[in-house]
Order: sequence, then structure tokens, then C-alpha cells
Amino acid sequence: GAGVSQSPSNKVTEKGKDVELRCDPISGHTALYWYRQSLGQGLEFLIYFQGNSAPDKSGLPSDRFSAERTGGSVSTLTIQRTQQEDSAVYLCASSLEGLRTDTQYFGPGTRLTVL
Amino acid sequence: GNSVTQMEGPVTLSEEAFLTINCTYTATGYPSLFWYVQYPGEGLQLLLKATKADDKGSNKGFEATYRKETTSFHLEKGSVQVSDSAVYFCALHAGGTSYGKLTFGQGTILTVHP
Repeated sequence: GAGVSQSPSNKVTEKGKDVELRCDPISGHTALYWYRQSLGQGLEFLIYFQGNSAPDKSGLPSDRFSAERTGGSVSTLTIQRTQQEDSAVYLCASSLEGLRTDTQYFGPGTRLTVL
Repeated sequence: GNSVTQMEGPVTLSEEAFLTINCTYTATGYPSLFWYVQYPGEGLQLLLKATKADDKGSNKGFEATYRKETTSFHLEKGSVQVSDSAVYFCALHAGGTSYGKLTFGQGTILTVHP
């Protein structure tokens, strides 16, 4: 079946603009995650959804970052007033139930460049 | 808190050499352990996993054994190929109050020369 998909694949924006990143998880997966990959910080967890609720938002770096998930499926990550330090690859992953033993399947990522 | 430490890279090997990438972890409870691989220009994909102590994960000739006594999950392959050139990430999922998140090591770049 189809894997995790993300759009856009690349996004270039100017400092101060808002951006929206989209994630389509694997059908039937109830758990969805956002991570960020950057040279200086490696792979960082941002937020976890179980269904439409987000029990763990502990990784969001500031209140400029928000995310939502609707219908237990598609998720959007919004970054307001982008800063240059937000430049990174944003990865989405999904897993069947969010259990400790579940495999998380990753999408190809959105490369965000803030000029 | 939870953490994963991988051996520093990059690692450069000749084809058919033996590979070890060390990974140690700190976690509360009984985490699951994973190795993910990122080939050039591609996304992260699971290589193997182990969900309890003494389990051995294996895939594509790679193996790793979950050692609770040494809190380790070292990745090994007996004979590497050029196509194994990639970045390898060790990760853990602690469960419990850590909910769904994976905690990753810093990644190890492997380059295999013909």
C-alpha cells in the first residue's frame, strides 16, 4: 500500500512568513508524529498525535509552531513568522497504534529553507 | 531522560569488510530499540528492531542484539557492500510517559569503497 506522503517536498520562504506543511499517514494508522532533522540538532521529536488529539507536544520549539490532525488522518504543521533557524527537513511518521513496539514509518520529508 | 549515543563517524570501509556501529542507550523502563537507515537522497527507513532484552533483530545481512546488561544495541554486518553506504541511526522508544516519540542517536555516516 501507499506509504507516508508529505507536501510540499521543498519550500523556500522569506523570514517572517507563515508556512504550512502537510502529512498523509498510512491508511489505518492511528498514531502520527512530526520530527525535524537539521545538521546541528540531528533528529528531534516535535509532536505526537493519537487520533485527533495530541498527548505530547513537548518537542515544539516555540509557540510559533502548531499542528493539527483532522479526521484521524491528515496532519498539518504550521510555522508562523518563520525564522532562519527554522530551516530544516520536517519529517512525518505514522504507526499502527503508537505502541512502544510499533514501527514508525517515515515520509520523504519537506525541506524548508527560510531566507 | 532518555538518550542514545552512537559511535562517532564517519566510518569508511572497503567492500566485504566487517562492520560494527556501536550504540548505547539510557532509558527508564524497558524500551524498544531500532536501527533506521537513510540512503542518499531517500527518507528514513527501518532496518531492524528488537522489543525486549536478548532479542536479535536482523535484516539485509545486518544484525543487532538487545543487551540490557550493557544497555547496548550494536549494529553488525559481516561483509559490507557499496550499496550499504548510508547514514545509520540508532533509536529507542521508551513507551510510558514518553508516549510515541523516538529518541535518536546522532547518526553514523558509512561509506563503503569498492
